[in-house]
Amino acid sequence: GNSVTQMEGPVTLSEEAFLTINCTYTATGYPSLFWYVQYPGEGLQLLLKATKADDKGSNKGFEATYRKETTSFHLEKGSVQVSDSAVYFCALGSGGYQKVTFGIGTKLQVIP
Amino acid sequence: DTEVTQTPKHLVMGMTNKKSLKCEQHMGHRAMYWYKQKAKKPPELMFVYSYEKLSINESVPSRFSPECPNSSLLNLHLHALQPEDSALYLCASSQDPPGLAGDNEQFFGPGTRLTVL
Repeated sequence: GNSVTQMEGPVTLSEEAFLTINCTYTATGYPSLFWYVQYPGEGLQLLLKATKADDKGSNKGFEATYRKETTSFHLEKGSVQVSDSAVYFCALGSGGYQKVTFGIGTKLQVIP
Repeated sequence: DTEVTQTPKHLVMGMTNKKSLKCEQHMGHRAMYWYKQKAKKPPELMFVYSYEKLSINESVPSRFSPECPNSSLLNLHLHALQPEDSALYLCASSQDPPGLAGDNEQFFGPGTRLTVL
């Protein structure tokens, strides 16, 4: 079956540091890949997505590239801000498009 | 309008109460979902509706009863819940079938924080 593995947090960074959150997946076929962000006390918001190999999703300074050869979709940001503190979920949607498989979530804490 | 709304934001209920959670979207999406999220865990799928018909039930106990009265509304009726059912309940919607890009992005509401006493 489908699965998503992401690094377990928490990740603590100083403001303006470089961020990488690793995500790898297992899936049949050609899944779509997503990063969702959840701020404290809120629902999930789609941060970025990629629907085919070599696509790069980007939003708000965050980027992730769909790497089929390494089955990865790592999230990066060049300079994090305190306001980026949240939980980040890597997810995939495939074939049976009604089911999205989530990773465990990585909590990011950015300190001034 | 790219928003999914949920009411109430918070709900406290006893184990003998009957309550309902409500979800609404006006994006023309024909797939709607209920998820349960415990603290520090990813969302767990409960139900999926496709064109107002129940498509997936992830073996959810019968004390949770979903309803989709029309293409914009999704309800979750609660009865005789247990304290372990306390969680954040998230509603989501997506295109059905997926758009031309082939993606299946789900749009989430802010959730209802449920506490069962």
